[in-house]
Amino acid sequence: LAKTTQPISMDSYEGQEVNITCSHNNIATNDYITWYQQFPSQGPRFIIQGYKTKVTNEVASLFIPADRKSSTLSLPRVSLSDTAVYYCLVGDLLTGGGNKLTFGTGTQLKVEL
Amino acid sequence: GAGVSQTPSNKVTEKGKYVELRCDPISGHTALYWYRQSLGQGPEFLIYFQGTGAADDSGLPNDRFFAVRPEGSVSTLKIQRTERGDSAVYLCASSLKGTGGLAGANVLTFGAGSRLTVL
Repeated sequence: LAKTTQPISMDSYEGQEVNITCSHNNIATNDYITWYQQFPSQGPRFIIQGYKTKVTNEVASLFIPADRKSSTLSLPRVSLSDTAVYYCLVGDLLTGGGNKLTFGTGTQLKVEL
Repeated sequence: GAGVSQTPSNKVTEKGKYVELRCDPISGHTALYWYRQSLGQGPEFLIYFQGTGAADDSGLPNDRFFAVRPEGSVSTLKIQRTERGDSAVYLCASSLKGTGGLAGANVLTFGAGSRLTVL
């Protein structure tokens, strides 16, 4: 299973763009990259998923370079409510190896006024 | 249901007691996962069901932990002879498919968790 490495914490201010980078040097060919957000006393919530290049949805963008050894979650114009822990997961969807989708310790994002 | 439902939301028990935690997944989701989360840590995989069968139980810490999903829907995580170290939030998640298939098959929808405190 591909191991992921993220910064433990990040601080930002309201209205700024936040980029959180995740390293996954031993990502396998079939692995997808998925990001989750978790607020206190809640379960993680899906944000975005991608395989390569760039994916964008109404919440965030995900940038994946050609070698796929890292990925960057981009949150545009954060607000106080974006204060949460963000997890990067790497898993195999096509051959079933993604059963043990493994969370790391995540990145604690703190947004201030 | 509209989301993943877990009961109880909080459970306080004494060391040595037996505990059951229930998970009601999203209707139609064939894959169901149990995770355990300690304070300040990410969720730790315990077991994964595809339908009624446990496809991967390699995350269960020892034989005091057991989980069932007899009809392929609701699942129960059972902990025997609880220990103080079992105190954690137990998270359940479900997804449309656990293996193979299209992108998005392993997008997990989590419940709010069951907080277990063993005194």
